[in-house]
Amino acid sequence: EAQVTQNPRYLITVTGKKLTVTCSQNMNHEYMSWYRQDPGLGLRQIYYSMNVEVTDKGDVPEGYKVSRKEKRNFPLILESPSPNQTSLYFCASSFLGQAGNEQFFGPGTRLTVL
Amino acid sequence: GQNIDQPTEMTATEGAIVQINCTYQTSGFNGLFWYQQHAGEAPTFLSYNVLDGLEEKGRFSSFLSRSKGYSYLLLKELQMKDSASYLCAVTEGLLKAAGNKLTFGGGTRVLVKP
Repeated sequence: EAQVTQNPRYLITVTGKKLTVTCSQNMNHEYMSWYRQDPGLGLRQIYYSMNVEVTDKGDVPEGYKVSRKEKRNFPLILESPSPNQTSLYFCASSFLGQAGNEQFFGPGTRLTVL
Repeated sequence: GQNIDQPTEMTATEGAIVQINCTYQTSGFNGLFWYQQHAGEAPTFLSYNVLDGLEEKGRFSSFLSRSKGYSYLLLKELQMKDSASYLCAVTEGLLKAAGNKLTFGGGTRVLVKP
């Protein structure tokens, strides 16, 4: 089954404790992206990747890191989480190039930073 | 940059029709998506418009007017399962990766009542 998976689905952590949210897709997509979703603000892009070893900042990259060592995986790293990073996070992927390429979203990770 | 506006919430009756409007201001328009998102779940693709006019897909239709910076999503024969948020998203730019970047509005929560 074609899908995007994320782990963990739920996480409660404390300020300053490094964490990683994994994202994996099995559709051979070049493009992968991380979004956060907050009430009233909609989905905002954190980082994106066009292919292996090619990543770039989205609209709200502060406090986050990513890596793309393999085509299928795109982990999101919070080196020192803070309460303002409490949010619902989505990973998405698509083929690259055409503007109309549908993005497929993972199930989401609900993160709470205390 | 982009500014995308859609109503926060709408209520409609089962079997009726609802129209969700989306207006946008963008420096380089490259297409508009509509996604459906049930509470706590991932967004799922509904439609993509890049040319002016109406695209019909079953009970759902999407319209675009590029000169007016305006789109709407029309939901006909509403069912209870249509209760969800509907997200308008715009792509812009000429670069390969830019064609995949989605900028979302805040979403419109639709409540279908019996």
